Amino acid sequence: KAGVTQTPRYLIKTRGQQVTLSCSPISGHRSVSWYQQTPGQGLQFLFEYFSETQRNKGNFPGRFSGRQFSNSRSEMNVSTLELGDSALYLCASSSPQGGEETQYFGPGTRLLVL
Amino acid sequence: QKEVEQDPGPLSVPEGAIVSLNCTYSNSAFQYFMWYRQYSRKGPELLMYTYSSGNKEDGRFTAQVDKSSKYISLFIRDSQPSDSATYLCAMNHYGGSQGNLIFGKGTKLSVKP
Repeated sequence: KAGVTQTPRYLIKTRGQQVTLSCSPISGHRSVSWYQQTPGQGLQFLFEYFSETQRNKGNFPGRFSGRQFSNSRSEMNVSTLELGDSALYLCASSSPQGGEETQYFGPGTRLLVL
Repeated sequence: QKEVEQDPGPLSVPEGAIVSLNCTYSNSAFQYFMWYRQYSRKGPELLMYTYSSGNKEDGRFTAQVDKSSKYISLFIRDSQPSDSATYLCAMNHYGGSQGNLIFGKGTKLSVKP
């Protein structure tokens, strides 16, 4: 079974631009969560989607948004980019059906804002 | 006080050593505890998943949870150079598949041949 995939893997943007990142979950997984990872703050939760609905949201400004499609694929968008948005953005998928219920991460998208 | 505290290291050990990695937490509502391993420039990989207090063993890895002390540990026996990575503890209130995971900042481990 293929793992979580994220595109693009690397991205360079300038301040003020916007960016869209994509995540395809493990087949059969309906929950997708997004995290931001920086050296200073570590891994921080952005939001979680389940069946196309945002189920949980972290403490990030409204410039960070996301959505989930009917096939469980998810996108996150960051508008008006700031230098501090440079980070590794990680997507995780999960399935609350039996077994060990936990989140499996993709390789991440590394975003550099200049 | 941060919800989850983890010594960032770095921790350097010789091959074959027993490694002990630890996290403390402040929120007594946490019930699900995980350890992830993250290699450089890769996403976190799930190593261990535990619920409630006690020990769980998987090969060379043992996860230990002490909810009364709000303390979790990961032990690695017979450490190998391939174990060199950053180890992240994570926890949450609900099932691990739901809601947000709260992570420690990670401990960077180096196993020298």
